[in-house]
Amino acid sequence: DAKTTQPPSMDCAEGRAANLPCNHSTISGNEYVYWYRQIHSQGPQYIIHGLKNNETNEMASLIITEDRKSSTLILPHATLRDTAVYYCIVADSWGKLQFGAGTQVVVTP
Amino acid sequence: DTGVSQNPRHKITKRGQNVTFRCDPISEHNRLYWYRQTLGQGPEFLTYFQNEAQLEKSRLLSDRFSAERPKGSFSTLEIQRTEQGDSAMYLCASSPPRVGQYFGPGTRLTVT
Repeated sequence: DAKTTQPPSMDCAEGRAANLPCNHSTISGNEYVYWYRQIHSQGPQYIIHGLKNNETNEMASLIITEDRKSSTLILPHATLRDTAVYYCIVADSWGKLQFGAGTQVVVTP
Repeated sequence: DTGVSQNPRHKITKRGQNVTFRCDPISEHNRLYWYRQTLGQGPEFLTYFQNEAQLEKSRLLSDRFSAERPKGSFSTLEIQRTEQGDSAMYLCASSPPRVGQYFGPGTRLTVT
């Protein structure tokens, strides 16, 4: 079973920030938090990952709570092309990924 | 385009036939993964290679499934005596150590 809990769906207005929550209360000390997304009929796309510290790249920011039991993926300016299923996954460094159901994000004009 | 390629992109086969899929990872990535995804579900891990060594196999990978990665470069996934339940998207991913995996576009298998 997946080790994370995500809301099944959320809507976001184009141009606004999208904040995607994830709970991972049973995360182990050596496990990373990974975020992927999957646009319909395509392979999953790696977004970002982190261990303890907050991370930012050209796609998104990852905020991890101090106790590491939850995290938030932030898409700073959502576009229509960000409509996808977003997966939050906890995994060790070699990264066998266990995908859950994810969050279906719909960005609306 | 992540740089991971998979062939063929689509395969239709009759039940009982053998099929083979190929994955070409990003050249400097030493890790290669296979996943399977059925409609409406997230991908499920099948197996993992580090260079040419197959280090883990999921119990989803029955005796009819075999994967190889000769010389640590491309990989093949073969399904023998296909069944209708094998119909799925087969995804390949590659990565260097300690970073995210880069997925290919997948091979969609339909068993009739």
